[in-house]
Amino acid sequence: DSGVTQTPKHLITATGQRVTLRCSPRSGDLSVYWYQQSLDQGLQFLIQYYNGEERAKGNILERFSAQQFPDLHSELNLSSLELGDSALYFCASSVGAGGSHTGELFFGEGSRLTVL
Amino acid sequence: QQQVKQSPQSLIVQKGGISIINCAYENTAFDYFPWYQQFPGKGPALLIAIRPDVSEKKEGRFTISFNKSAKQFSLHIMDSQPGDSATYFCASCYQTGANNLFFGTGTRLTVIP
Repeated sequence: DSGVTQTPKHLITATGQRVTLRCSPRSGDLSVYWYQQSLDQGLQFLIQYYNGEERAKGNILERFSAQQFPDLHSELNLSSLELGDSALYFCASSVGAGGSHTGELFFGEGSRLTVL
Repeated sequence: QQQVKQSPQSLIVQKGGISIINCAYENTAFDYFPWYQQFPGKGPALLIAIRPDVSEKKEGRFTISFNKSAKQFSLHIMDSQPGDSATYFCASCYQTGANNLFFGTGTRLTVIP
């Protein structure tokens, strides 16, 4: 158990809809990262938050947004969903804000989104 | 653009054999190279990592070999076991700035008893 909690584990919705994925980081971790995992693209970095502020942005679509709350949990909002958004969405957390010396990311078990 | 290229996509090895997974990176500013292991239904978990100031790091049956001039690194699993069957991801990131990792596309390893 990594200590990172993601909900829901599975979500099925229709095209055009909006969903919210939730992540609680490990106790003491200030950084939260969101990754998208699809069969052909592997793990794609979406966005990072550190202590409530956006720290880095990756390949995140404009239809997607995220935030980190004062209690450090994070939410990833996906709107105007398309079939291609079907994927496994992972949240990860780490102690520090950046720099490879901070090392390890701890991943949750993911939220599987299916868009029909 | 895939900043880290990983091969092979899948690998089948007999129990007791050596599993070798290769990765190549583009950005010479990367200076942290971890390998993550992912079992079905689980999130990736750090397996072993190396920094470019060394050419090899060994932890138990797992070894990373690093070739800075070629911008390549590889994972060797010695005496592969059925319990090693999982998907392996190599990754890279920068020393400064955000800690976000750039992952390879993954290698699905199957170790046959």
